[in-house]
Amino acid sequence: EPEVTQTPSHQVTQMGQEVILRCVPISNHLYFYWYRQILGQKVEFLVSFYNNEISEKSEIFDDQFSVERPDGSNFTLKIRSTKLEDSAMYFCASSDQGSYGYTFGSGTRLTVV
Amino acid sequence: GQNIDQPTEMTATEGAIVQINCTYQTSGFNGLFWYQQHAGEAPTFLSYNVLDGLEEKGRFSSFLSRSKGYSYLLLKELQMKDSASYLCAASTGTASKLTFGTGTRLQVTL
Repeated sequence: EPEVTQTPSHQVTQMGQEVILRCVPISNHLYFYWYRQILGQKVEFLVSFYNNEISEKSEIFDDQFSVERPDGSNFTLKIRSTKLEDSAMYFCASSDQGSYGYTFGSGTRLTVV
Repeated sequence: GQNIDQPTEMTATEGAIVQINCTYQTSGFNGLFWYQQHAGEAPTFLSYNVLDGLEEKGRFSSFLSRSKGYSYLLLKELQMKDSASYLCAASTGTASKLTFGTGTRLQVTL
């Protein structure tokens, strides 16, 4: 079964450092997403990406965050200057036609120290 | 804004049936997802309801009423491995953004 692949599985970074989280969505999917889940809390939407541009973003997705699809396979989330409160599990997801085939990756656990 | 409500915790006995309810208030509603999530892992897809009614898939069934903003997940013949969090999520807008509830932590006991 096709998978969404995320790397790394764990990342520890110092406050103020930049991090890039990487995702390889399912190959024929058109819609790409990032979500995050702070420990013990609900999954929260960050951003959606379609046709090489952001289609929707949440209030969490401020100027410190950016997304990019640098080639035909990767989808990245960059946090420019990490804060302690950015510590969370970050999930990438992709889907085919809108909500169909919506699949989550296994996540990257980001710890900011 | 978007609002999704589901119970925080439920307990049920192995072999029994349990129903997890979810109510939602959203705009631009597309459909309703149910995911299973074990601690420290990613959500795993269980069901996606677009139309009103019941959809059955093995031991799991999901129901949707769009007019009432209500869904439930029904788990039959509970097994110990079903102990997990069950997440209700509404898909909205052309970008199909998912808004999640807090999740219902289900504990299956002997």
